[in-house]
Amino acid sequence: KAGVTQTPRYLIKTRGQQVTLSCSPISGHRSVSWYQQTPGQGLQFLFEYFSETQRNKGNFPGRFSGRQFSNSRSEMNVSTLELGDSALYLCASSLSSTNEKLFFGSGTQLSVL
Amino acid sequence: QQPVQSPQAVILREGEDAVINCSSSKALYSVHWYRQKHGEAPVFLMILLKGGEQKGHDKISASFNEKKQQSSLYLTASQLSYSGTYFCGTELTGTASKLTFGTGTRLQVTL
Repeated sequence: KAGVTQTPRYLIKTRGQQVTLSCSPISGHRSVSWYQQTPGQGLQFLFEYFSETQRNKGNFPGRFSGRQFSNSRSEMNVSTLELGDSALYLCASSLSSTNEKLFFGSGTQLSVL
Repeated sequence: QQPVQSPQAVILREGEDAVINCSSSKALYSVHWYRQKHGEAPVFLMILLKGGEQKGHDKISASFNEKKQQSSLYLTASQLSYSGTYFCGTELTGTASKLTFGTGTRLQVTL
């Protein structure tokens, strides 16, 4: 069974640009969560999607948005990039909720110059 | 509300024991533990639900104290492979499906 796949693995952008990250969950998993990881801050919850609906949202500005498609694949978009958005963005999937074992992808390392 | 983990870092010799604590100021529904090795994705260790049930994973076990809103992860007879950063994730009562992680505890096991 294939694991959680995130693309691209690395991304370099400049301030003001926008970026879209992609996450393909494990087959059969319907919940997808996104986390931002920076040194010293741990894993910061961005949002969680289930059956194409955003079920929960963290404390991030509106520049951070996401969506989930009917096949459970999810995308995360960050508009008007800032230097502080540089981080590892992790996607995690589970069968139906985060109150279950989460399977994390390897992440997308975003660098904003 | 981000849970607080302690200690922030610990260095052990192989075979020694360690305890990592995770506490919250709000009522917890569940506590999750993950380990992340350098350059890799976090990997699930265990979930503890309300009720104080202690779970085990080989020589790694954990407890959940509902009254104190605290969980502890116990690593017994540590091995080199235990090295990594341990994160606790908490789900508050009434906030289903929102897992908030602490800042992590970096564990290094040496020979």
